[in-house]
Amino acid sequence: DTAVSQTPKYLVTQMGNDKSIKCEQNLGHDTMYWYKQDSKKFLKIMFSYNNKELIINETVPNRFSPKSPDKAHLNLHINSLELGDSAVYFCASSQDLANYGYTFGSGTRLTVV
Amino acid sequence: AQSVTQLDSQVPVFEEAPVELRCNYSSSVSVYLFWYVQYPNQGLQLLLKYLSGSTLVESINGFEAEFNKSQTSFHLRKPSVHISDTAEYFCAVRTAGNMLTFGGGTRLMVKP
Repeated sequence: DTAVSQTPKYLVTQMGNDKSIKCEQNLGHDTMYWYKQDSKKFLKIMFSYNNKELIINETVPNRFSPKSPDKAHLNLHINSLELGDSAVYFCASSQDLANYGYTFGSGTRLTVV
Repeated sequence: AQSVTQLDSQVPVFEEAPVELRCNYSSSVSVYLFWYVQYPNQGLQLLLKYLSGSTLVESINGFEAEFNKSQTSFHLRKPSVHISDTAEYFCAVRTAGNMLTFGGGTRLMVKP
């Protein structure tokens, strides 16, 4: 019944590795997002994507790339992981931002060692 | 550009006391404002929102927020808090591109 699900919930990996975080929503929403929450709880938009348009926050390194195999999925690929990538990554979706806001996943805690 | 400032990073309060969490925003598009709550180790949940109409909006669990255009504020209040209200609270504003920009969060710590 989970509306927005992310896997894995925890991810510990070494510097330099490449990893992916998966996100799936079963709400029929058109738009999906990735946010990064740092250790001070600050939330920063990374990507917004619907079937027509990808909007990238220009401050996101190009080591990060979203991949959407279909409307219900938006995965996050990260190449050459760095210590500073350690954070909690949240996936979210929305259909009508004005009326419903976002629905968030429960987050993926990425730790780079 | 749109931005959100939450003036207090932490707000300690005793149980059953009133609380106000402050939020100021700037926006160049039509203002949509949101408050989200994040309980430990969970994602964010929508608490309440302002789109238009009445400037006072309420949530089902006793929180309310008032949109004040002249002061560009959207402060969150509750007249009597419970231990279970302990969480991180985020104010957010809609940006161009129909995304949300979040404030830095306020940790509400309710003490018995």
